Order: sequence, then structure tokens, then C-alpha cells
Amino acid sequence: DAMVIQNPRYQVTQFGKPVTLSCSQTLNHNVMYWYQQKSSQAPKLLFHYYDKDFNNEADTPDNFQSRRPNTSFCFLDIRSPGLGDAAMYLCATSRGGRSNQPQHFGDGTRLSIL
Amino acid sequence: GQQLNQSPQSMFIQEGEDVSMNCTSSSIFNTWLWYKQEPGEGPVLLIALYKAGELTSNGRLTAQFGITRKDSFLNISASIPSDVGIYFCAGTHSGGSNYKLTFGKGTLLTVNP
Repeated sequence: DAMVIQNPRYQVTQFGKPVTLSCSQTLNHNVMYWYQQKSSQAPKLLFHYYDKDFNNEADTPDNFQSRRPNTSFCFLDIRSPGLGDAAMYLCATSRGGRSNQPQHFGDGTRLSIL
Repeated sequence: GQQLNQSPQSMFIQEGEDVSMNCTSSSIFNTWLWYKQEPGEGPVLLIALYKAGELTSNGRLTAQFGITRKDSFLNISASIPSDVGIYFCAGTHSGGSNYKLTFGKGTLLTVNP
């Protein structure tokens, strides 16, 4: 089945140690998103790619970076994770174009910081 | 930024009961989406609405895009235990980016067998 796949499902890293989360999709969607979701809150958009065009949200910390080497893959890099970065990270995709297309989410990566 | 007011925050119901939740906004939305999220999982799209007045069903779920384009509701009929989860409304608002969703704060649904 076509889907959005996130790896790993659980990631533990040390305070200040860089970590990379990955997302792949078989939907052939040209828009990919990264969200941060903390407990009992709605997802918060960090950035999105429309094809290769990167769009950063104004309040996304500089600590968060992203790479999209091709249509299918997108990575979230956290350069120096702090305790406040512990959260669920969700990847989503949508089809671009004029009409509003719904976003489809992966199952997330839960990040813990020691 | 744009906000969606989602209510109720939580609901505790008995199996078999019907459920209704809604989202309202002070501004016009172009799209309304309803997602369900279970613990440890990502949000799953339930229903997407694109036109004012649109009424769409997905099994026991029914959602409507309000005529004013400032609200939407989701109904679940004859609830079952597997309906448990957090339901989020989300949308893209008129004048904003097609690629930025505004989310409600979610409705936590608990169904007692």
C-alpha cells in the first residue's frame, strides 16, 4: 500500500548529540512536511518542501534543519537537541497544485533526550 | 495566527451512543479536514471537505463544511470502543497558504464498553 514511512519509530539521543529522523513516501506527493507534536497538543509545523523549495516556519528554531534529496525521502536533522526537543515528530505529504489536497501522516518518531 | 476553537475538549460516552464535535473559526476556511489520532500513532485522515455546505460520510462518520465557511462538525453514530482517540479538526484558511494547516486542539474521546 502507498504510504508515509518514518524511521525509526523510537529514537533516544543524548543532550547535545545530533540526531537525524527519516521519512519516505510511496505516494509520489511533491509536498513533504515535518511537524513536532508534544503531549496532548496539536501538531506544530516546522517546515515543508514543495518539490525542492524549502519553506521554514518563522518560529522554527535554528537547531532544526531538513534535507530532501529526492521526491521520496525527507530528513529532519536536530543539530544539538535539548530537553525541550523531546516530542513526537511527524512527517506528512500532500499532492501540490492549485486545489487544497489533504495531508497524509506517517506514524511518527518519538524522540527522547537523555 | 489563525486559530480553530474545537469543542468539546473531551468526551466520555457509553458504547452505542452518538457523538458530535465541532470546530469554529473567526475567519473563512477553504478546506476542513478531520483526523483521528490514536496513542503512539500519526493522525489518520477521516474526512476532507472542500465546499461550503458539503456533507460527507465515511461509514459511521459524518462531517459538514459550514455554510459560512467558518465552522465544521463531525458526528460519529453508534460509537464502539475502537473509536477511542483524539479527533483533530484542521483546515486551510482563505488568504493563507494551501500548504499550512491550522489545527484545533483536539477532542479526546473515551468510549466505555
